[in-house]
Amino acid sequence: KAGVTQTPRYLIKTRGQQVTLSCSPISGHRSVSWYQQTPGQGLQFLFEYFSETQRNKGNFPGRFSGRQFSNSRSEMNVSTLELGDSALYLCASSLAWGRDEQFFGPGTRLTVL
Amino acid sequence: GIQVEQSPPDLILQEGANSTLRCNFSDSVNNLQWFHQNPWGQLINLFYIPSGTKQNGRLSATTVATERYSLLYISSSQTTDSGVYFCAVVDYTGANSKLTFGKGITLSVRP
Repeated sequence: KAGVTQTPRYLIKTRGQQVTLSCSPISGHRSVSWYQQTPGQGLQFLFEYFSETQRNKGNFPGRFSGRQFSNSRSEMNVSTLELGDSALYLCASSLAWGRDEQFFGPGTRLTVL
Repeated sequence: GIQVEQSPPDLILQEGANSTLRCNFSDSVNNLQWFHQNPWGQLINLFYIPSGTKQNGRLSATTVATERYSLLYISSSQTTDSGVYFCAVVDYTGANSKLTFGKGITLSVRP
């Protein structure tokens, strides 16, 4: 069974631009969550989608948004990029509920210049 | 929200040594996972262990849910075990899948 895939793997943008990251979960998984990892803040939860609905949201500004499609694939978008948005963005998928084991993709490393 | 603390923050071992990594959490959990982050950043699943004991080769883990802690044991460590180990939990309160991570333990295994 294929694992979680994320595209692109690396991205360089400049301040003020916007970016869209994509995540394809494991086949049959309906929950997709996004996390941001930085050296200073560690791993922080961005949001979670289940059956095309946002089920939970972390403490990030409205510039960070996401969506989920009917095939469970998810995208996250960051608008008006800031230098501080440089990070590793990780996507996780699970079957459905919080007690289910979660599996992570390889991540997208975003650099904002 | 739930708090997760990992200790020690850094660990240096000689190849062949054993080690114990600890994870404390502040509330009841629905899910507890241990991950190893590889040099490229991917989180590799080690154990899904909200309670009980599991073993996988040289690694084993125990979670004592009633006392709110989990331990990851690494025996006969190898240089390839180096990296950052994360404990993460999902609290018991809701149906969502938000994982709260500890700050990680950086393990260095020297040849």
